[in-house]
Amino acid sequence: QLQLQESGPGLVKPSETLSLTCTVSGGSISSSSYYWGWIRQPPGKGLEWIGSIYYSGSTYYNPSLKSRVTISVDTSKNQFSLKLSSVTAADTAVYYCGGQSTSGVGWWFDPWGQGTLVTVSS
Amino acid sequence: QSVLTQPPSVSGAPGQRVTISCTGSSSNIGAGYDVHWYQQLPGTAPKLLIYGNSNRPSGVPDRFSGSKSGTSASLAITGLQAEDEADYYCQSYDSSLTLVFGGGTKLTVL
Repeated sequence: QLQLQESGPGLVKPSETLSLTCTVSGGSISSSSYYWGWIRQPPGKGLEWIGSIYYSGSTYYNPSLKSRVTISVDTSKNQFSLKLSSVTAADTAVYYCGGQSTSGVGWWFDPWGQGTLVTVSS
Repeated sequence: QSVLTQPPSVSGAPGQRVTISCTGSSSNIGAGYDVHWYQQLPGTAPKLLIYGNSNRPSGVPDRFSGSKSGTSASLAITGLQAEDEADYYCQSYDSSLTLVFGGGTKLTVL
């Protein structure tokens, strides 16, 4: 059974770079069945897709965050990572990683990691 | 402002049927892209409830069903139970090359 687990600092200073890693277990990140995505949820608010990556390194990002986001994959470690630069308090959120599947006319996330809260504060 | 519009809240008594709507546009749901639904219990990660408009993953009770028509989709929950109290989110794909979520609907079981 595929499982995902986020890890990284829970506190980041304003203007610095947020870095998180998602470790995939129970399956290979090189599976052709999945893309791998990052989603965030500010406290008390809804979900926002950040971006996604395929094991080959192909990426696509939310246009609203594209200038600040980098997602990468390390197939040797079965991990993918998120970097979000120049963070502000508005980037405070629970960050989730997820396995992303498709039917050809859409994408959905399953499974999800448990999420990790990242607070931006000095 | 979310690309997909959901009612902020719905409620129902145990045993009743409730529906949650998800309204999009011609660039997402109306363009033929599938709609998916997630359930988020308090303090937990979202869980896939419906994929591909109307398909239930293994383990999801058949009390949950999804449908799509035109630029909208709906999630129906029959035989409402106390443990269904949660936030529900719809999600689709937009022609702007973005995965989009609804703003979420809080279901209260009275």
